[in-house]
Amino acid sequence: GQNIDQPTEMTATEGAIVQINCTYQTSGFNGLFWYQQHAGEAPTFLSYNVLDGLEEKGRFSSFLSRSKGYSYLLLKELQMKDSASYLCAVLDSNYQLIWGAGTKLIIKP
Amino acid sequence: ETGVTQTPRHLVMGMTNKKSLKCEQHLGHNAMYWYKQSAKKPLELMFVYSLEERVENNSVPSRFSPECPNSSHLFLHLHTLQPEDSALYLCASSQEGQGTYNEQFFGPGTRLTVL
Repeated sequence: GQNIDQPTEMTATEGAIVQINCTYQTSGFNGLFWYQQHAGEAPTFLSYNVLDGLEEKGRFSSFLSRSKGYSYLLLKELQMKDSASYLCAVLDSNYQLIWGAGTKLIIKP
Repeated sequence: ETGVTQTPRHLVMGMTNKKSLKCEQHLGHNAMYWYKQSAKKPLELMFVYSLEERVENNSVPSRFSPECPNSSHLFLHLHTLQPEDSALYLCASSQEGQGTYNEQFFGPGTRLTVL
């Protein structure tokens, strides 16, 4: 079966760095997405990786290793507004998105 | 209006009621989706309309019935729901085809409570 694993919850301190991991086992691979979802709101797109390596976008970076079935989202200089759930999703061979359950990130002052 | 809109934002219904959820996308996309989001579970894809063809998830109970009258509008008709159907229902749209990576844009969701 297809499976996306990510931690259920993480806690970090304002101003610090946090890394949210995602491992996947899917039938085929056409890219990996990270979405951010604040409580009660719609998920919003953060990043897309299809090739191995690190993609940096401001305070957020996303890394992919296709051989290991692994990705991480790195958040730097954490702000209180970064408190949200972070969803990892993989586009499989049929171009269907397979979603993880999300990681709830709690930022403490 | 821009992006993806959904109405109503909140809905409380009894198990014998019939109601409909509405989604509209203003992005010119050619695919639309219904998802169910329950606490601490992955997003569950319910239905996809791609290039005006419906791709059905066979595990969705028949008490959920989608309708896509055109590429901008999507409905989810609900009847004789169960309390376990209480969840956040999200609509999304994307542009499928060569040269795209199918990034999905989500609406704000309808919080459904079945009593």
